[in-house]
Amino acid sequence: QQQVKQSPQSLIVQKGGISIINCAYENTAFDYFPWYQQFPGKGPALLIAIRPDVSEKKEGRFTISFNKSAKQFSLHIMDSQPGDSATYFCAASIGKVYKLSFGAGTTVTVRA
Amino acid sequence: DADVTQTPRNRITKTGKRIMLECSQTKGHDRMYWYRQDPGLGLRLIYYSFDVKDINKGEISDGYSVSRQAQAKFSLSLESAIPNQTALYFCATSPGGARETQYFGPGTRLLVL
Repeated sequence: QQQVKQSPQSLIVQKGGISIINCAYENTAFDYFPWYQQFPGKGPALLIAIRPDVSEKKEGRFTISFNKSAKQFSLHIMDSQPGDSATYFCAASIGKVYKLSFGAGTTVTVRA
Repeated sequence: DADVTQTPRNRITKTGKRIMLECSQTKGHDRMYWYRQDPGLGLRLIYYSFDVKDINKGEISDGYSVSRQAQAKFSLSLESAIPNQTALYFCATSPGGARETQYFGPGTRLLVL
């Protein structure tokens, strides 16, 4: 049973639009929430991460919003570009063990 | 990421065969991981190792074994491959301590017939 539920499975957005990917979790012991980006034929790479003591983190066009009470977090890609076309995975881990539980992934396609 | 290499990149094998996937890293990281990726399931942890003498089972270790030959090398074995082990396999490393970023290799695509 997946500990982190991710939606949607895929999305298509026009260039310049906003992509939003949502994740939900049940285990309140999770205290680290990264997002990984994967291009075809490549391994995932860390994009951005957040801890539950903040509600939002922004890096360039990528923003994580975190809602601790709802046990949800989301990735917003602003001004989406064709180069953002990739599969995005949310994940969560507990304390110092650093075992990541991944969501199922969202394939984002940005149309030029 | 060229710092984490996996061999082979693609492999086709038959049911019942033993197969080994290898991972090497030049990042100097102590922690290494093996994941499998399946469509609609994301990545699932098979085994992880915090150093040469510390190896731990992940979510889905049944049917798999690992060997940490050195700090830089971590191998995954399928003792008797079965078709539902067809998947994309990734090795990852992390530095440990307060830095949790995991660095993934390019993956090995395995097909079990």
